[in-house]
Amino acid sequence: DQQVKQNSPSLSVQEGRISILNCDYTNSMFDYFLWYKKYPAEGPTFLISISSIKDKNEDGRFTVFLNKSAKHLSLHIVPSQPGDSAVYFCAAPMGYGGSQGNLIFGKGTKLSVKP
Amino acid sequence: KAGVTQTPRYLIKTRGQQVTLSCSPISGHRSVSWYQQTPGQGLQFLFEYFSETQRNKGNFPGRFSGRQFSNSRSEMNVSTLELGDSALYLCASSFNSGDGSPLHFGNGTRLTVT
Repeated sequence: DQQVKQNSPSLSVQEGRISILNCDYTNSMFDYFLWYKKYPAEGPTFLISISSIKDKNEDGRFTVFLNKSAKHLSLHIVPSQPGDSAVYFCAAPMGYGGSQGNLIFGKGTKLSVKP
Repeated sequence: KAGVTQTPRYLIKTRGQQVTLSCSPISGHRSVSWYQQTPGQGLQFLFEYFSETQRNKGNFPGRFSGRQFSNSRSEMNVSTLELGDSALYLCASSFNSGDGSPLHFGNGTRLTVT
């Protein structure tokens, strides 16, 4: 059973427009969420995170929104740039013993930003 | 500061063989985690080490094992390789597991089992 779900395998957006990537989760014990970006032939790189005590976290062009009642989070990229084209993963730590090395990942959404 | 280094980048092995993959974390990082990425299953957690102790283990068979050395470097071993073990194996490190710091991933080792 997938505890973190990204239901859109791909998304195509025009340069300069907003990209919205969605993620749903089923485990109400999750209290922290992260987004990672992955380019081909590279490992994932951390993008932005949010704690469950917040409903929004912003870092430059990237904003993550958390709706705990709906168990849903979204990543907004404004404005989108061609260099943002990558696979985006939503993740949550299982948190056993406070560990955050054990992340549950969604299957990713491939974002293509067209010039 | 050097990133997470994984060696080798590519490996081709035959069914039944065993393989050892190596990971050097970012200097000062004490937590090392391993993940397997496949097209079907995505990124799946294998195990996590902190200060030479296995802290968590994912749902993988006992053929998958790992260890961490006193300098925080880590190795993972897969014995009796199966075709389904073909995957990208990613290592990630963080300063102190549990402090909220994000994982820093290496570029992975691409294992092909024939």
